[in-house]
Amino acid sequence: AQTVTQSQPEMSVQEAETVTLSCTYDTSESDYYLFWYKQPPSRQMILVIRQEAYKQQNATENRFSVNFQKAAKSFSLKISDSQLGDAAMYFCAYRSAIPGTASKLTFGTGTRLQVTL
Amino acid sequence: DGGITQSPKYLFRKEGQNVTLSCEQNLNHDAMYWYRQDPGQGLRLIYYSQIVNDFQKGDIAEGYSVSREKKESFPLTVTSAQKNPTAFYLCASSSLGGYYGYTFGSGTRLTVV
Repeated sequence: AQTVTQSQPEMSVQEAETVTLSCTYDTSESDYYLFWYKQPPSRQMILVIRQEAYKQQNATENRFSVNFQKAAKSFSLKISDSQLGDAAMYFCAYRSAIPGTASKLTFGTGTRLQVTL
Repeated sequence: DGGITQSPKYLFRKEGQNVTLSCEQNLNHDAMYWYRQDPGQGLRLIYYSQIVNDFQKGDIAEGYSVSREKKESFPLTVTSAQKNPTAFYLCASSSLGGYYGYTFGSGTRLTVV
């Protein structure tokens, strides 16, 4: 079974600065999808960014980008120009791409990001 | 607007009672999921369904039951057999492959009193 590990329970960043959240995963599969979700205080889960393992290019979405290291099984999220609205729990998630497998996501335990003035 | 609706937002249950959490989606998604969220444990999968009238156990199915009689609906029953039901419950849906991630509901906070 796949596992997802987020080793930083809490992180803090100053407004306008850059922060990187770490995520590692364990899998024997070669094809899969990785996701970062944001959960603000409202507790609504919001998809931040998605990466397909067969693509070498790192995904970017505005101020959010990932550093995907397939060999190291690492999938970190970089938030540039941090804003107060970025304060939230961030979850890393894994989904197998093996045909016929269920579409379920496996989540990490989350990193709480605090943004300070 | 398309989305997922979970109700109620807050639910209180007495010891020994069964309660049912509602989840409805109008996204025409085939797959639906129930996750439980506890502090420090992330999201853990309870049950999921990829097609009407079919569902599978997730990692922590004991004490829970589901049904999928309609594509739009995937209610979760927390039975009296669930020893520690106080938690935040999230419902989600996706296209059958789920390759683009899930759409989540806004959650139900269940408290045992």
